[in-house]
Amino acid sequence: GAGVSQSPSNKVTEKGKDVELRCDPISGHTALYWYRQSLGQGLEFLIYFQGNSAPDKSGLPSDRFSAERTGGSVSTLTIQRTQQEDSAVYLCASSPMTGRGGETQYFGPGTRLLVL
Amino acid sequence: AQSVTQLGSHVSVSEGALVLLRCNYSSSVPPYLFWYVQYPNQGLQLLLKYTSAATLVKGINGFEAEFKKSETSFHLTKPSAHMSDAAEYFCAVRAGGTSYGKLTFGQGTILTVHP
Repeated sequence: GAGVSQSPSNKVTEKGKDVELRCDPISGHTALYWYRQSLGQGLEFLIYFQGNSAPDKSGLPSDRFSAERTGGSVSTLTIQRTQQEDSAVYLCASSPMTGRGGETQYFGPGTRLLVL
Repeated sequence: AQSVTQLGSHVSVSEGALVLLRCNYSSSVPPYLFWYVQYPNQGLQLLLKYTSAATLVKGINGFEAEFKKSETSFHLTKPSAHMSDAAEYFCAVRAGGTSYGKLTFGQGTILTVHP
């Protein structure tokens, strides 16, 4: 079946502009996660959705970052007034909720964001 | 809180040699542990995971890892390296008893395989 998809695959923007990154999780996966991967910081958690709610948004680095999920499916990560330090690869992952514990998170290919 | 330390940011082996990638974790509760692999310009792919069943876990592509509570370790091994194993490997932890929620990743280990 189809895996997690993300769009765009690459995004170049100018400092100060807003960007939207999209994630389509695996069909039926209730949990959705956003991570950021950068050279200096490694892989960092940003936010986690369970259905359309976000029980954990502790990783969002500033109020310029926001995310939403609609219909328990697609999620959008929005970065307002982008800064050069926002340049990174943004990874989305999804997992099922079977209640058995230790659920695997399945990752998309990422969106590579470059802020000039 | 959970944390992961991967010893060695770069590991280089010859084709056919043993691969050993080290991972130590810190967790206040029994953890779930994961190893992921990332090939260039791709997302992360699960190699294997420990979820409190057998302590020796076998994964894809001939990799395995052993959970050692006394050493707080979850090292990844493969008996014989192949050129296609060249990639970056990440160890990750999540608090046990929680099916969901964030993974905390180590800094990653880049594996190079020489002919």
